[in-house]
Amino acid sequence: QKEVEQNSGPLSVPEGAIASLNCTYSDRGSQSFFWYRQYSGKSPELIMSIYSNGDKEDGRFTAQLNKASQYVSLLIRDSQPSDSATYLCAVNSGSNYQLIWGAGTKLIIKP
Amino acid sequence: DAMVIQNPRYQVTQFGKPVTLSCSQTLNHNVMYWYQQKSSQAPKLLFHYYDKDFNNEADTPDNFQSRRPNTSFCFLDIRSPGLGDAAMYLCATSRDRGVRGYTFGSGTRLTVV
Repeated sequence: QKEVEQNSGPLSVPEGAIASLNCTYSDRGSQSFFWYRQYSGKSPELIMSIYSNGDKEDGRFTAQLNKASQYVSLLIRDSQPSDSATYLCAVNSGSNYQLIWGAGTKLIIKP
Repeated sequence: DAMVIQNPRYQVTQFGKPVTLSCSQTLNHNVMYWYQQKSSQAPKLLFHYYDKDFNNEADTPDNFQSRRPNTSFCFLDIRSPGLGDAAMYLCATSRDRGVRGYTFGSGTRLTVV
């Protein structure tokens, strides 16, 4: 069974610090990796996608992928209270239409 | 702006009374998905349409059905809602196999009383 694992948290980070969120996946054939942000009572919003090994930066967000270790992470620099949300990791194997979802990590940024 | 729109935003229905949730999109994506999400859980895929081809997940209850009359619209029908069906229902779209990710609507929060 294909799985995506995340620490459920909550992860508490002081405002202005770096928040580090981690995700592991079981399917070695996975090709596309996504981080979605979900505020309470809202729908998921795509914030980062990554397809090849290494780092991808977009503003305060950096996604890191290591296919050999089957590991993907999200770094949020200069964390703001508005970053407080649940972050969902999702993986697409490309062999079917499904995204395999982690259960999410709840991030709390303390002012 | 191109988007995915779900209506209604909140729906209250009586136990056992059929209810329909709707989703429309202006992205011209050929794949549409329905997810169920309960509190603190990952979204659970119910079914998806690739163009007109319907794909049901093996563990989706028969109580849930879907219709896609055209590219832009997709409906979720719950024939006899139970208390356990109370959840957020999310519609999402993607182009082809979703290699570039999914776009979600704002969701419909279903309450069963």
